[in-house]
Amino acid sequence: DIQMTQSPSSLSASVGDRVTITCRASQDISNYLAWFQQKPGKAPKSLIYAASSLQSGVPSKFSGSGSGTDFTLTISSLQPEDFATYYCQQYKGYPITFGQGTRLEIK
Amino acid sequence: QVHLVESGGGVVQPGGSLRLSCAASGFTFSRSDMHWVRQAPDKGLEWVAFIRYDGSNKYYADSVRGRFTISRDNPKNTLHLQMNSLRGDDTAVYYCAKALGIDSWGQGTLVTVSS
Repeated sequence: DIQMTQSPSSLSASVGDRVTITCRASQDISNYLAWFQQKPGKAPKSLIYAASSLQSGVPSKFSGSGSGTDFTLTISSLQPEDFATYYCQQYKGYPITFGQGTRLEIK
Repeated sequence: QVHLVESGGGVVQPGGSLRLSCAASGFTFSRSDMHWVRQAPDKGLEWVAFIRYDGSNKYYADSVRGRFTISRDNPKNTLHLQMNSLRGDDTAVYYCAKALGIDSWGQGTLVTVSS
């Protein structure tokens, strides 16, 4: 199975900050990488697919990069609504696997 | 506008069965690959199963293979998950999700396995 490791597990930041979350795959997954945002008690929301392509309706403050085994999600100019948990997911091989999540909290 | 609505969750005893459904609208369901993803209380997301748009291929997580079956009814725009031999660690919110690189999620349905 392909293991997905996110870092950090939690992150404190202030409104207006720019933050980066990292996701590492245990083997080459090309660009078969997605990012999701989840707020407490809510369904996940899709942000990025194919490592760097923004889902429809997602603001450009979110950006993704990487290929192979190392990927990043960057959120610029944090706003209160951006504080949530973020997950990466690989869909190169089965079983499909998620990272453990990164909790982004307000400092 | 994509709309996915799960149903069928509830409380079931260990060893019991449950069938989840996901009603899809707002897109061409018969051309869309679909997933089931679950989330245990206060835990992360766990992929459960996947089915190709035409039902030709199905894949499962090791934790559910042999107990769960994913299926779809394209004329009725509905995705199903038949869950048998349920265990306590199957307790979770179950989400249906659209596309291989997931672009849309339902609101989820809660399955509680408890005696």
